[in-house]
Amino acid sequence: DTAVSQTPKYLVTQMGNDKSIKCEQNLGHDTMYWYKQDSKKFLKIMFSYNNKELIINETVPNRFSPKSPDKAHLNLHINSLELGDSAVYFCASSLDSYEQYFGPGTRLTVT
Amino acid sequence: DQQVKQNSPSLSVQEGRISILNCDYTNSMFDYFLWYKKYPAEGPTFLISISSIKDKNEDGRFTVFLNKSAKHLSLHIVPSQPGDSAVYFCAAAGEYGNKLVFGAGTILRVKS
Repeated sequence: DTAVSQTPKYLVTQMGNDKSIKCEQNLGHDTMYWYKQDSKKFLKIMFSYNNKELIINETVPNRFSPKSPDKAHLNLHINSLELGDSAVYFCASSLDSYEQYFGPGTRLTVT
Repeated sequence: DQQVKQNSPSLSVQEGRISILNCDYTNSMFDYFLWYKKYPAEGPTFLISISSIKDKNEDGRFTVFLNKSAKHLSLHIVPSQPGDSAVYFCAAAGEYGNKLVFGAGTILRVKS
């Protein structure tokens, strides 16, 4: 009965590859987010979707493309991976409030 | 430019004592503040929040204080327990809808 789940938990890949991270929430929330936690441990928002509509798009390279097939899912696709993309990526969701519920994170390592 | 700052990277406290974690912010447009707790290899979990119309919010052992004039908030944990050992993130919101701006986190170690 996991509230916000992400797959995979770990992802190791080579530079130049394309990869996807999936996120699902079963809380009935209408807003979902992607965050990146870099090596300095800062959590920074990348994207936010509300009812499948993009509402926040921070300054993120266009190699990153979020896709929301429905309210319960928000996937992150990354093209042409670079070394600097190595980080932990967190998915989160919320319902009409600032309180966001986070998934367990996906540790991406680009070699 | 960091709009939310947690200047203490770590804090060590004896079990049973009070833990005080501090957070400063620079953006006067922020009107809602949250504390999250994070264990290794897990996502952050919501702990407690406070609106800018209040100066204190309490939930069990956790109390958050807000000083708007100083742009400062603090989280008090009393009494501290070993299970409280984690990274604590301060976050602020209000300028851009549901966008949360996080501090760098403070590692709390509660010694038994």
